[in-house]
Amino acid sequence: GAVVSQHPSWVICKSGTSVKIECRSLDFQATTMFWYRQFPKQSLMLMATSNEGSKATYEQGVEKDKFLINHASLTLSTLTVTSAHPEDSSFYICSASIGGSTGNTIYFGEGSWLTVV
Amino acid sequence: GEDVEQSLFLSVREGDSSVINCTYTDSSSTYLYWYKQEPGAGLQLLTYIFSNMDMKQDQRLTVLLNKKDKHLSLRIADTQTGDSAIYFCAERRAGTALIFGKGTTLSVSS
Repeated sequence: GAVVSQHPSWVICKSGTSVKIECRSLDFQATTMFWYRQFPKQSLMLMATSNEGSKATYEQGVEKDKFLINHASLTLSTLTVTSAHPEDSSFYICSASIGGSTGNTIYFGEGSWLTVV
Repeated sequence: GEDVEQSLFLSVREGDSSVINCTYTDSSSTYLYWYKQEPGAGLQLLTYIFSNMDMKQDQRLTVLLNKKDKHLSLRIADTQTGDSAIYFCAERRAGTALIFGKGTTLSVSS
């Protein structure tokens, strides 16, 4: 069964609104989670590293004010896309490792499809 | 160029073996991974190999690692139509997230 769960799986929102995506680790604590986005038929691009109890670390080119990441507990990280625009439409996927940031088994959530209309 | 490179397409017949190749650039990578992604779905971890190993076998899957050439391969024995998917190679450097290749689309015909 899934060890990392995302919600929602699909979301459609209007341009200018905000949408929150949740990533949960099931049955294990994840002090570090990672957020990726994937455009159709392309690879996964790392957006940010989510650290429990501290600020997220964003990759170059990712707007931290637009993609808000909160990692308030050891089993939950959230990604909020603020003031969404059609170009933000994408597949967002999170991952967590069993064994913390040095753990070698990395699982991914089922992903969340965001469509901004 | 890309940190991790893969060929984009592979087509095989059902029952044949599939070999998907990958090259990476960072010799300090600790682990190397293979994930499978079916249309519209998330990533399924298939297997991973520690950088001090040169081979790992798990049922129909065989991973070969040539650290000198920074080359990784995934062999799927007795390929089935259900194996049709995109396969991603990824490297993990110490303490960081995964760096993915662009993915290889495997098409299996009956």
